[in-house]
Amino acid sequence: KQEVTQIPAALSVPEGENLVLNCSFTDSAIYNLQWFRQDPGKGLTSLLLIQSSQREQTSGRLNASLDKSSGRSTLYIAASQPGDSATYLCAVDDYKLSFGAGTTVTVRA
Amino acid sequence: EPEVTQTPSHQVTQMGQEVILRCVPISNHLYFYWYRQILGQKVEFLVSFYNNEISEKSEIFDDQFSVERPDGSNFTLKIRSTKLEDSAMYFCASSEATTGSGLFFGSGTQLSVL
Repeated sequence: KQEVTQIPAALSVPEGENLVLNCSFTDSAIYNLQWFRQDPGKGLTSLLLIQSSQREQTSGRLNASLDKSSGRSTLYIAASQPGDSATYLCAVDDYKLSFGAGTTVTVRA
Repeated sequence: EPEVTQTPSHQVTQMGQEVILRCVPISNHLYFYWYRQILGQKVEFLVSFYNNEISEKSEIFDDQFSVERPDGSNFTLKIRSTKLEDSAMYFCASSEATTGSGLFFGSGTQLSVL
């Protein structure tokens, strides 16, 4: 059974600092990995999708890397802003999405 | 931008009552899903649906649950006799393909069973 772990569980940084969020998974036989953003009591907004054959994916200030063989992905958020405060979820796709518990980020103005 | 729409946003029901949660997936998507998130816990897979039948379901998705695509646009989740432990946020999602295209989620229905 796929297990997805996200470290740290929570992170508080001053505005402008770069964020590094980690995700690990136990079974490397995945099709892709998706990063989501979740605001309190809200839905899941897809941020980045990395195919299993890709090493990284970028969108604006966001960059995600994938090392399938070691079962790791990292989400980098450059020059953080207070609006980046949210919970970030990692999910691996092995015919269904298995989610991590998330990293709750607070960016202090 | 196309989006997955879920109604209602909140549903309160009494234990033992039937509830139907509704979703309108993105129009050209072929694969549909329900996930749920109990407060403070991980998002969990419930069921996937393609070509008018269930593709895969989790152990959570027992005989109390059913899904249906009653017409060309709606996708529903029915819980036949709700239990207290069914209280959760229920998310509908859709995708173009079974793998590789990513899932798009709705904003969820918060179900409270009293």
